[in-house]
Amino acid sequence: RKEVEQDPGPFNVPEGATVAFNCTYSNSASQSFFWYRQDCRKEPKLLMSVYSSGNEDGRFTAQLNRASQYISLLIRDSKLSDSATYLCVVPRGGSARQLTFGSGTQLTVLP
Amino acid sequence: ETGVTQSPTHLIKTRGQQVTLRCSSQSGHNTVSWYQQALGQGPQFIFQYYREEENGRGNFPPRFSGLQFPNYSSELNVNALELDDSALYLCASSFPGGRVDEQYFGPGTRLTVT
Repeated sequence: RKEVEQDPGPFNVPEGATVAFNCTYSNSASQSFFWYRQDCRKEPKLLMSVYSSGNEDGRFTAQLNRASQYISLLIRDSKLSDSATYLCVVPRGGSARQLTFGSGTQLTVLP
Repeated sequence: ETGVTQSPTHLIKTRGQQVTLRCSSQSGHNTVSWYQQALGQGPQFIFQYYREEENGRGNFPPRFSGLQFPNYSSELNVNALELDDSALYLCASSFPGGRVDEQYFGPGTRLTVT
């Protein structure tokens, strides 16, 4: 099993749609989780951190299910500017600053 | 802008050559991590440097090596380049004691090996 697995995508959704991405992780000892956003040919940027059962920031909601080792990212009311690749990220082993990235899910929001 | 810079922006090398990539961390950050991102994949952890010492390494062969300098800037060296080394190389800086999510990526160096 890969350390971090994500929906392969791509997701093509109309503006205003709600879209959800799923991610599973293998290290049951992981305590923190992240969603990064990466625009085409740019560096990844932190979108959300998840330390407990979930986190919400405006149109974005991340949920964590420790029993199933599953993280999700929900985007409501999608905007054209949400088009990007979304990366699920889990710290490696015992070091919180060494990150394991999923392969990413590409989202395109269509007008 | 994260304050993390990388050079060069783009680079083309031939198989078998050696390459050095550079990273200047954000002010006050003494930890630098390097990642390789192949096309269509997520970044893969190469190694991390803290106070000029290697502090963790991913599943990369010894021909990937690094340095960190007293000013906390860092280099990634790759010897005997292979075609599969073509990727975006990212560095990220952080500081111990800071929040885990206070880790900032540079814009990357895009390496093409022909």
